[in-house]
Amino acid sequence: GIQVEQSPPDLILQEGANSTLRCNFSDSVNNLQWFHQNPWGQLINLFYIPSGTKQNGRLSATTVATERYSLLYISSSQTTDSGVYFCAVGEYSSASKIIFGSGTRLSIRP
Amino acid sequence: GAGVSQTPSNKVTEKGKYVELRCDPISGHTALYWYRQSLGQGPEFLIYFQGTGAADDSGLPNDRFFAVRPEGSVSTLKIQRTERGDSAVYLCASSLGGETEAFFGQGTRLTVV
Repeated sequence: GIQVEQSPPDLILQEGANSTLRCNFSDSVNNLQWFHQNPWGQLINLFYIPSGTKQNGRLSATTVATERYSLLYISSSQTTDSGVYFCAVGEYSSASKIIFGSGTRLSIRP
Repeated sequence: GAGVSQTPSNKVTEKGKYVELRCDPISGHTALYWYRQSLGQGPEFLIYFQGTGAADDSGLPNDRFFAVRPEGSVSTLKIQRTERGDSAVYLCASSLGGETEAFFGQGTRLTVV
């Protein structure tokens, strides 16, 4: 099955810094989402982005499907951005499974 | 409701007991997923429903785990003869199906003592 790798596994930044989180996947995908898991465990949808670029406020994401990676950019980090960021993909050959990476744990220091 | 709803939020059960976890998907969503998340790890796929049928149950760890969705809406994940290793957060998600965005519930934290 498809493999999803996220990097870095952990990231500690000062408030106001910018960051880039990466998601690599091993096969063609028809579905890619970025989530933020807050301290209470809720998975919050950030982007549905199987290809192209999207922006939402301080966050933006780019997926280059032909090269099998996606990037999540966070600018001017705030302490509320802390948490775990997950990339999740759906295999092109299967309409069912959505497979998660192991996540990037982001800690923003005040 | 507007989002995916899971009940109960927390469940503590004794080893060997049977438990049921419920998921109410977003109205109109035909696809429903169950995941299990252990501490410090990403969610792990368990089963996927398209309508009433389990289209992919390849993630169920063994035959103690079973899930149903009899009317194509609410789903129940059933775990028989619970073991301490089953302790985790069980997450449910729904979507319009196919190549569409999935939305997750808040999860049920299951603790087997």
